Amino acid sequence: GAGVSQSPRYKVAKRGQDVALRCDPISGHVSLFWYQQALGQGPEFLTYFQNEAQLDKSGLPSDRFFAERPEGSVSTLKIQRTQQEDSAVYLCASSLRVAGANVLTFGAGSRLTVL
Amino acid sequence: AQKVTQAQTEISVVEKEDVTLDCVYETRDTTYYLFWYKQPPSGELVFLIRRNSFDEQNEISGRYSWNFQKSTSSFNFTITASQVVDSAVYFCALATYNTDKLIFGTGTRLQVFP
Repeated sequence: GAGVSQSPRYKVAKRGQDVALRCDPISGHVSLFWYQQALGQGPEFLTYFQNEAQLDKSGLPSDRFFAERPEGSVSTLKIQRTQQEDSAVYLCASSLRVAGANVLTFGAGSRLTVL
Repeated sequence: AQKVTQAQTEISVVEKEDVTLDCVYETRDTTYYLFWYKQPPSGELVFLIRRNSFDEQNEISGRYSWNFQKSTSSFNFTITASQVVDSAVYFCALATYNTDKLIFGTGTRLQVFP
């Protein structure tokens, strides 16, 4: 597609529910990132994929967070047993992998509210 | 440790005023990249500029200009003759060479009033 597509745009979950957030990166983009943006804060890195390989998951806040990109394109971020502190906007970004720091193209985000 | 500081939480100006958004960064790496992104109310982060650590030349793009000074670890962003459409949250970010992982500041909310 023309841009990075994320779904759902809005998700309300009751505490304890599992949620799955989907990211469709730009076609051909090798790198895919997930960021978490709390209200009034800057995005914070969660995890990074190069094709289907998850090369960095140092930002995942707990083992309740899990991300996958099985075929090197679409990615899913799963949060198990959601808690109120998980409420945030989850941003996905993709980039071509060439030398030097690439420009990331971001999606519009998935806003998660945990009640 | 790497860090980006945007000390200005919110700035309000009247249309046609010039405004400068400050960004100070910390890194021990000699090769790194600095970015500015704009986040309008729709939520999508929009890329504005990328500069590498070896290029300290200031850059101008229309009403936007950027002042990169390694001596003060700053990468400030100026909007000349601001417009209502410039209203957004602006983020400064840092990435080291050979990684796309961005370290963001906390952002500056700019409100431009007619």
